[in-house]
Amino acid sequence: NAGVTQTPKFRVLKTGQSMTLLCAQDMNHEYMYWYRQDPGMGLRLIHYSVGEGTTAKGEVPDGYNVSRLKKQNFLLGLESAAPSQTSVYFCASTPKVTVYNEQFFGPGTRLTVL
Amino acid sequence: AQKVTQAQTEISVVEKEDVTLDCVYETRDTTYYLFWYKQPPSGELVFLIRRNSFDEQNEISGRYSWNFQKSTSSFNFTITASQVVDSAVYFCALMRNTDKLIFGTGTRLQVFP
Repeated sequence: NAGVTQTPKFRVLKTGQSMTLLCAQDMNHEYMYWYRQDPGMGLRLIHYSVGEGTTAKGEVPDGYNVSRLKKQNFLLGLESAAPSQTSVYFCASTPKVTVYNEQFFGPGTRLTVL
Repeated sequence: AQKVTQAQTEISVVEKEDVTLDCVYETRDTTYYLFWYKQPPSGELVFLIRRNSFDEQNEISGRYSWNFQKSTSSFNFTITASQVVDSAVYFCALMRNTDKLIFGTGTRLQVFP
């Protein structure tokens, strides 16, 4: 099993450009999450999904959109990138057996917005 | 309010020293879970431990041990006889019944040979 994978690993955007980050998991997990990690701030939740076709806002959702059309994939979109969105983005998933399961994280995507 | 505080931004030790990473949390819930994750220089997040709010027993796993004290809302992590491979950023996190993790800001541990 590959676990949680993220595409791409690195990306540089210019202000105003758009892009989509892809998260895929092969563990049949119900719940998926997108976080951003900034220096000195830990990880903050952007959006999450508790199942196929459902999404919800996290702590810092502004400027991002998400979609969960397939259970194994969770997409994070930036419609008009801003320098403030320069960050490392992590995707995570967890099974539905109990909400208190640990989350399994992907390797991260380093995004720079110029 | 739910909050996790890791007051130690960075800790440096010499190999074989013991080191304790502090974690203090805030929640009004009676049922919650606490986690520790490790982020080595390669960047991925590695799960270390989960502890529920009803289990205050300390846990030991090799050189790692965790001390959970509800009276002080703390969940501290100790590495005994530290090694260079322990160098990483360590995150403490809180999960309520909303299934969302609330992370602390992390403690960077540097272990020098």
